[in-house]
Amino acid sequence: RKEVEQDPGPFNVPEGATVAFNCTYSNSASQSFFWYRQDCRKEPKLLMSVYSSGNEDGRFTAQLNRASQYISLLIRDSKLSDSATYLCVVNVNNAGNMLTFGGGTRLMVKP
Amino acid sequence: DADVTQTPRNRITKTGKRIMLECSQTKGHDRMYWYRQDPGLGLRLIYYSFDVKDINKGEISDGYSVSRQAQAKFSLSLESAIPNQTALYFCATSEGSGTRPEQFFGPGTRLTVL
Repeated sequence: RKEVEQDPGPFNVPEGATVAFNCTYSNSASQSFFWYRQDCRKEPKLLMSVYSSGNEDGRFTAQLNRASQYISLLIRDSKLSDSATYLCVVNVNNAGNMLTFGGGTRLMVKP
Repeated sequence: DADVTQTPRNRITKTGKRIMLECSQTKGHDRMYWYRQDPGLGLRLIYYSFDVKDINKGEISDGYSVSRQAQAKFSLSLESAIPNQTALYFCATSEGSGTRPEQFFGPGTRLTVL
């Protein structure tokens, strides 16, 4: 079983739609959680951290469920520019700053 | 100017050749990492370094070696390249222990081994 699992997609949605991605992680000792965005053939960039109480950044909302060991990302009012691959990322050992990456979920927003 | 740079950006080579990928950073971070990315497999850690001269193996270190001679530079070598090392390679940096674990990535090197 992979340490961080995501549905690879692609998720094809029209502009303006709301779309949600889930991610599950296997290590219950995981301490920090992130969503990274990766455009085609580009480097991953931090989209947002995920906090226990849930957090929002504009059209993006991240949730964490420690009991079920899953993380979600909700995108409201999708834009064409949101088309990318979204990577779920988990940090198990804070002291080591080591990150484990999911395989990514591809989103395609169509006009 | 980019904070994390990688050279070359693209490289095509033949089986058995020695290849070196370079990474430089101006972020002043202590920690540096090398990953490879293959379709459907996500990012996998090859080697990482927490300080100058500190080297640690990652998930898939076989067939690779690294050198960290200065804080700002971390190089990855393929001593004898093979076709299944064809991949997109990323260098990343992060701050030290007790700080945010966020990693910052370079633009990547696309390596093709024929």
